[in-house]
Amino acid sequence: GQQLNQSPQSMFIQEGEDVSMNCTSSSIFNTWLWYKQDPGEGPVLLIALYKAGELTSNGRLTAQFGITRKDSFLNISASIPSDVGIYFCAGPSNYGQNFVFGPGTRLSVLP
Amino acid sequence: DTEVTQTPKHLVMGMTNKKSLKCEQHMGHRAMYWYKQKAKKPPELMFVYSYEKLSINESVPSRFSPECPNSSLLNLHLHALQPEDSALYLCASSQEASGGNLHDTQYFGPGTRLTVL
Repeated sequence: GQQLNQSPQSMFIQEGEDVSMNCTSSSIFNTWLWYKQDPGEGPVLLIALYKAGELTSNGRLTAQFGITRKDSFLNISASIPSDVGIYFCAGPSNYGQNFVFGPGTRLSVLP
Repeated sequence: DTEVTQTPKHLVMGMTNKKSLKCEQHMGHRAMYWYKQKAKKPPELMFVYSYEKLSINESVPSRFSPECPNSSLLNLHLHALQPEDSALYLCASSQEASGGNLHDTQYFGPGTRLTVL
């Protein structure tokens, strides 16, 4: 089946720094979804991308749908303490009625 | 409105108890999902309902029994659970089960933290 890989696995940054993380696959995805999850809470959809090359922003967050349709990145500018959490990429499977999830990138922001 | 609600927020149960988790969405979505999530791991798919019919059961033990009373509601009935079933249980919905829509987008509820003693 399809798989998603995320890098880095975890990152520690200083408050105010910019962050970049990415998601890759060996197969094509037609939609890329980025979620943030706080401990004990459900994932919250941050950005949805539907077209190759698409660049979309949501406040300090920017995400891009890779031209090859096999990757996507998420950038966070001027990080703040509430950005702490796990960021998952996901997309609808091409082969069945389910969604594929990456393993997540754990972000820690140091004051 | 992109809200999926779940009740209860927390649940503690013994191994002989019967309990139910509830999920509701009013986005007109025709696909609803149950996931199980362990700490620091991505959500793990359990069941998918498409147009109120069970379309995917990921070999989940029979002590978990899903039910979809109507297009807005999804329940998960729990009976004779084991301590290893303790986890965050997430409900989600999407416009339709993605086999038919490669641009589908999934929305999650806040989850139920389940502890089995």
